[in-house]
Amino acid sequence: SQTIHQWPATLVQPVGSPLSLECTVEGTSNPNLYWYRQAAGRGLQLLFYSVGIGQISSEVPQNLSASRPQDRQFILSSKKLLLSDSGFYLCAWSVSPKGWANTEAFFGQGTRLTVV
Amino acid sequence: EDKVVQSPLSLVVHEGDTVTLNCSYEVTNFRSLLWYKQEKKAPTFLFMLTSSGIEKKSGRLSSILDKKELSSILNITATQTGDSAIYLCAVGPTQGGSEKLVFGKGTKLTVNP
Repeated sequence: SQTIHQWPATLVQPVGSPLSLECTVEGTSNPNLYWYRQAAGRGLQLLFYSVGIGQISSEVPQNLSASRPQDRQFILSSKKLLLSDSGFYLCAWSVSPKGWANTEAFFGQGTRLTVV
Repeated sequence: EDKVVQSPLSLVVHEGDTVTLNCSYEVTNFRSLLWYKQEKKAPTFLFMLTSSGIEKKSGRLSSILDKKELSSILNITATQTGDSAIYLCAVGPTQGGSEKLVFGKGTKLTVNP
């Protein structure tokens, strides 16, 4: 069965420090991978998604970047964190659709990032 | 720009009440609409809707899609305190063959005993 791992669960970082959040998926190949951010217990804002190794689509211009060095690994990074980067970050995966097949996304447990 | 709007943003009811949550969308090349429940951390999948007028049901929860009105509702009957959560609606437009899910802000449901 497929599982998704996301770490760390919580993180407190000073302003101006770098960031690296990692997400890995097991039990599937060539998944679509996503990074979402959720502020104040509300809706999910799509930050990045990837349909394959090295392929990253950015949805919101910001202080963050994403990389996919391996098929089932997705990394969210920042060179210098801002206070506004605080939030709950969720990684998710879905099966690559074939034709008009429909798939749902499965989420990791999230990382609570506090920038101080 | 793809958009998903949920209403109400928050709702407080008593156990046993029936609630209806709304989701409307504007997306290019609509493929599917999904409902998720988020209690603490990871949202958990509830329903995926692709065809108009066909109700999906799971226990006390049901959902239906109206493609003409570009909307969906999620009904919860005989609510329990365990139904307290944020309910998220997402729409999957197609873009280059990939599945990009766009979420609404969610409805925060509180069920009081």
